[in-house]
Amino acid sequence: DIQMTQSPSSLSASVGDRVTITCRASQTINSYYLNWYQQKPGKAPNLLIYAASSLQSGVPSRFIGSGSGTDFTLTVTSLQPEDFATYYCQQSYSTPLSFGGGTKVELK
Amino acid sequence: EVQLVESGGDSVQPGGSLRLSCTAPRFSFSTYSMNWVRQAPGKGLEWLSYISSSSSTIYYADSVKGRFTISRDNGKNSLYLQMNSLRDEDTALYYCARVKPNTPMGTCDYWGQGTRVTVSS
Repeated sequence: DIQMTQSPSSLSASVGDRVTITCRASQTINSYYLNWYQQKPGKAPNLLIYAASSLQSGVPSRFIGSGSGTDFTLTVTSLQPEDFATYYCQQSYSTPLSFGGGTKVELK
Repeated sequence: EVQLVESGGDSVQPGGSLRLSCTAPRFSFSTYSMNWVRQAPGKGLEWLSYISSSSSTIYYADSVKGRFTISRDNGKNSLYLQMNSLRDEDTALYYCARVKPNTPMGTCDYWGQGTRVTVSS
């Protein structure tokens, strides 16, 4: 099974900050199979980035995904008030599909 | 707009059964693969099961294999999760999610609002 490890598990940031979240897979995965989701309290997850770097329709361009192999990154270039949420990476390279533990982005 | 509506969540005793449903009234349900994902209270996301559009391909997480069964009825635009031998650790909010076309099985572009399952004696 592929384990997905996110870091940090939480962070505090201010509006306008550049924020970077990392996700490490326990084995090499094709970047086509790496996704990022955003989840706000009481809401379902929302697909932000698929195939490691492709922006889902309707998602602001300040969200940038990158990476390959075992190491992937989600960057928010200028944090906005609506971006305070929990972010999850996910691999679908092999079953069982797996999510990272989540990164909670909080207001400093 | 794409909408997924889950139902069937309830409180049940350990060892009991539930059947969750997910209906999709406003898109061509029969052409999409689907997933079930759950989230225990205060915890992260856990993938449970996948079913292809024609039901020809099905996968399960080890944690539910042999106890849960995914199925679909394309004529009714509905997805199901039959849950048997429920355990305390199955307590969670259960989401159905649609697979984005032409992407791998885990790329979920639309999610329902979730249905809550509580397993407790």
